[in-house]
Amino acid sequence: EAQVTQNPRYLITVTGKKLTVTCSQNMNHEYMSWYRQDPGLGLRQIYYSMNVEATDKGDVPEGYKVSRKEKRNFPLILESPSPNQTSLYFCASRSGGRGNQPQHFGDGTRLSIL
Amino acid sequence: AQTVTQSQPEMSVQEAETVTLSCTYDTSESDYYLFWYKQPPSRQMILVIRQEAYKQQNATENRFSVNFQKAAKSFSLKISDSQLGDAAMYFCAYSRYSGGGADGLTFGKGTHLIIQP
Repeated sequence: EAQVTQNPRYLITVTGKKLTVTCSQNMNHEYMSWYRQDPGLGLRQIYYSMNVEATDKGDVPEGYKVSRKEKRNFPLILESPSPNQTSLYFCASRSGGRGNQPQHFGDGTRLSIL
Repeated sequence: AQTVTQSQPEMSVQEAETVTLSCTYDTSESDYYLFWYKQPPSRQMILVIRQEAYKQQNATENRFSVNFQKAAKSFSLKISDSQLGDAAMYFCAYSRYSGGGADGLTFGKGTHLIIQP
């Protein structure tokens, strides 16, 4: 089954404790993105990747890191999480070519930073 | 940078009636792509419909159709014969793809659709 898998689905942690949210897709997609969703703000892009070792900032990259060492994986790293990073996070991927290919989303990760 | 505006934070419609959700966007590009996504209470992001800007014909998917007005930069979603399962948050989105540059989607803030039985 074609899917984007995020882990964990839920996490409660404390300020300053490094955490990683994993994202894996089994569709051989070139493009991957991370978004955060906050009430009243919709989804905002954090980082995106066009292929292995090719990543770039989205609209809200501060406080986050990403890497793309393998095509299928695109982890999101919070080196020193803060309460303002409490949010719902989505990973997404799409196939290459023009931008008409739809994004396939993971089921989301609910992060709470105390 | 592109922006997407959904001016209706919440809409309510009677079951079996038709409802239209509004979306406007701002871009200087001539070739681009637009999407509507549905997010039910399960939080999943589900593609509803997509439109390519170079196509004049409005996209249709069963009970869902769009009214794409390129000159006005408007992309509204019409849901016919509303069903209880249509209750969700709906997001309008613009593809940031630029031929090897940026990628991903710019989203509006969403419209919460309530279906009254």
